[in-house]
Amino acid sequence: SQQGEEDPQALSIQEGENATMNCSYKTSINNLQWYRQNSGRGLVHLILIRSNEREKHSGRLRVTLDTSKKSSSLLITASRAADTASYFCATGSGTSYGKLTFGQGTILTVHP
Amino acid sequence: EAGVTQSPTHLIKTRGQQVTLRCSPISGHTSVYWYQQALGLGLQFLLWYDEGEERNRGNFPPRFSGRQFPNYSSELNVNALELEDSALYLCASSLDRVGNEQFFGPGTRLTVL
Repeated sequence: SQQGEEDPQALSIQEGENATMNCSYKTSINNLQWYRQNSGRGLVHLILIRSNEREKHSGRLRVTLDTSKKSSSLLITASRAADTASYFCATGSGTSYGKLTFGQGTILTVHP
Repeated sequence: EAGVTQSPTHLIKTRGQQVTLRCSPISGHTSVYWYQQALGLGLQFLLWYDEGEERNRGNFPPRFSGRQFPNYSSELNVNALELEDSALYLCASSLDRVGNEQFFGPGTRLTVL
């Protein structure tokens, strides 16, 4: 079963707007990673945030982690048409022995 | 720096056949992971290899197997293919086994007829 649940399942916005995607998980984690996938191709790694971190930034991306609520959010600012993709969160734990558990993903569509 | 590479890109097989998928990790990475992304089932963890040893295995039957070579490249073998094995098979690598980023390759699209 998937540990991560992402919300919303689909998001449609205009270029220049911000996009926020949320991820919730069930068990304790060591880290949470966000990935992007374009049209059924490979996953592109976006950000890793560890359980002792609350926020990380990378360019137009901002990730937050709230371990008390077992949730994370990915914010993409000033979105572009090229950001159109599926976005997945994936959790790793100390007992998962290398395994990442993925959510079902959010499909983001950015209209030019 | 070259990323994770996988071969072949696409593969079509018939039920009952066997298939081998290949993965080369990022230079310096010792851990290799395999995932299956089947329609409607999401991304499922298959196998993890590190330093030539199988370290963890997902909830897949024994006909899914693999190995890691001394140069850290890896193969995934699937025997007695079934229709539901049709999926995108993704390989990832990481610097070591301690909770680091996993970087993914482009995947191999397997179609079983």
